Amino acid sequence: EVQLVQSGAEVKKPGESLKISCKGSGYSFTSYWIGWVRQMPGKGLEWMGIIYPGDSDTRYSPSFQGQVTISADKSISTAYLQWSSLKASDTAMYYCASTGTDAFDIWGQGTMVTVSS
Amino acid sequence: EIVLTQSPATLSLSPGERATLSCRASQSVSSYLAWYQQKPGQAPRLLIYDASNRATGIPARFSGSGSGTDFTLTISSLEPEDFAVYYCQQLSTFGPGTKVDIK
Repeated sequence: EVQLVQSGAEVKKPGESLKISCKGSGYSFTSYWIGWVRQMPGKGLEWMGIIYPGDSDTRYSPSFQGQVTISADKSISTAYLQWSSLKASDTAMYYCASTGTDAFDIWGQGTMVTVSS
Repeated sequence: EIVLTQSPATLSLSPGERATLSCRASQSVSSYLAWYQQKPGQAPRLLIYDASNRATGIPARFSGSGSGTDFTLTISSLEPEDFAVYYCQQLSTFGPGTKVDIK
């Protein structure tokens, strides 16, 4: 079964760092782009960026460039999204999703990140 | 940067009715447009890619059409499980969504 499994919910304080993960299985992880999508509470979907695990080619939305880092470890079929200094406004659900065309066809279950003092 | 506009914001319909959702792009995107369904507490699910191709396992009552700047998602006869929020996407941009709720 093709699936993406994300790491569990996180509760952090402002200023802390965080790295969440997305592990792929059931397909060739290095052959498909993986993207990250933010959904703030009660809001819509926001495209953050995308990585090609085969060569780590990474693209960011201008809105998220410099705010987060997307990476991947192809040896363990895992993509990552990380922050060096969290803000309360980073509180959101974060989804990873893979794309074999120009659309995200497989989605992870989501990771809820809560940033609160 | 391409901007996607969806209308209406909310669509109130009864089961069995036809739903017509619109997505408009600020400039031509050819046929590179996808549609997703999201239910509360769930991840989005791909319905349509490349404007008119149904994703694997998507029922035939869902259809997509359009090209250039104007696109439509049609649900021919609403089932109870179809009441949800629908988003269009063009590569790195999502539309704001249309909520289909029960009248």
